[in-house]
Amino acid sequence: GAVVSQHPSWVICKSGTSVKIECRSLDFQATTMFWYRQFPKQSLMLMATSNEGSKATYEQGVEKDKFLINHASLTLSTLTVTSAHPEDSSFYICSASGTVNTEAFFGQGTRLTVV
Amino acid sequence: DAKTTQPTSMDCAEGRAANLPCNHSTISGNEYVYWYRQIHSQGPQYIIHGLKNNETNEMASLIITEDRKSSTLILPHATLRDTAVYYCIAHTMSARQLTFGSGTQLTVLP
Repeated sequence: GAVVSQHPSWVICKSGTSVKIECRSLDFQATTMFWYRQFPKQSLMLMATSNEGSKATYEQGVEKDKFLINHASLTLSTLTVTSAHPEDSSFYICSASGTVNTEAFFGQGTRLTVV
Repeated sequence: DAKTTQPTSMDCAEGRAANLPCNHSTISGNEYVYWYRQIHSQGPQYIIHGLKNNETNEMASLIITEDRKSSTLILPHATLRDTAVYYCIAHTMSARQLTFGSGTQLTVLP
């Protein structure tokens, strides 16, 4: 099946710093990618939809100035957590699908710990 | 996406079939039933999907009732590596984002 790669798998950063997470579709082009967040013992919650060549759309309650999304190419979307705080510590997961009418493929996730 | 209801947890003996139920009584005609699973600290993995016919692939079988109000995911010979949270999602193919519920924690016991 199609492969979506996420990097890094885990990251520890200090409060106030920014962290960039990359999501790549390795063998298909993805005009749309999705970013989810998952807190311990909870389900995945959609944060934003990343659209190639245009602005991302954010779900209600997600701060667009804090979670910067860039989708500069058909195979790469990045999520930057700016001025990270301990409450941003979570598991961040991206997904993508090649075309409409196909299943979504997920990255392996990024464990962010803010200390 | 239509709301789905799954049991919170289930156990299954290794080597036996694991049958995971899902209720989706308000599913609309153009919504497919998708199953994903998430092994601890990993991204979700696609398993199978179907509209109204039963489906089978190398991972599992999906049985959808005739009225489409419920379905069952069957792992024919569960292994310890099948321990995961299993998500049943009712989803139109034109919408690519998925709405995850709480899922079922399947624990395969040795």
